Amino acid sequence: EAQVTQNPRYLITVTGKKLTVTCSQNMNHEYMSWYRQDPGLGLRQIYYSMNVEVTDKGDVPEGYKVSRKEKRNFPLILESPSPNQTSLYFCASTLTGDYNEQFFGPGTRLTVL
Amino acid sequence: AQSVAQPEDQVNVAEGNPLTVKCTYSVSGNPYLFWYVQYPNRGLQFLLKYITGDNLVKGSYGFEAEFNKSQTSFHLKKPSALVSDSALYFCAVRAANQGGKLIFGQGTELSVKP
Repeated sequence: EAQVTQNPRYLITVTGKKLTVTCSQNMNHEYMSWYRQDPGLGLRQIYYSMNVEVTDKGDVPEGYKVSRKEKRNFPLILESPSPNQTSLYFCASTLTGDYNEQFFGPGTRLTVL
Repeated sequence: AQSVAQPEDQVNVAEGNPLTVKCTYSVSGNPYLFWYVQYPNRGLQFLLKYITGDNLVKGSYGFEAEFNKSQTSFHLKKPSALVSDSALYFCAVRAANQGGKLIFGQGTELSVKP
């Protein structure tokens, strides 16, 4: 089944404790992206990657890191999480091309205390 | 700057009635427009898109959307709402040659009552 998977689905952590949210897709998509969803703000892009070893900042990159060492994986790293990073996070992937729809993972609900 | 506006936080309709969820956009150049639906505790699911051609686009689950270039709108419609259509709906726009980024509206909560 074609899909985007994320782990963990739920995470409660404390300020400053490094964490990684994994994202993997099995559709051989070049483009991958991370979004955060906050009430009243819709989804905002954090980082994206056009292909392996190619990443760039989205609209809200502060406090996040990403890497793209393999085509299928695009982990999101929070080196020192803070309470304002409490949010619902989505990974998405798509084929290259502005007209292609993005496929979304199930989401990771992160709470930073 | 590119932007998407969904002017209604919530839309309430009775089952069997037509529904409309509004979306307007601002983008330089030709827009690629998308609608996504989010059910509780689920990721976003693609509904439909407008790329070019016919202004009326048909998508999944009986939904359709009408692209209006002069009004810069892309409203989502369905002739007869179902209770199971209750969900959060997002409009999104992507401008050509902008690194593939999707700009999302803030979302509209659709509630369909029996």
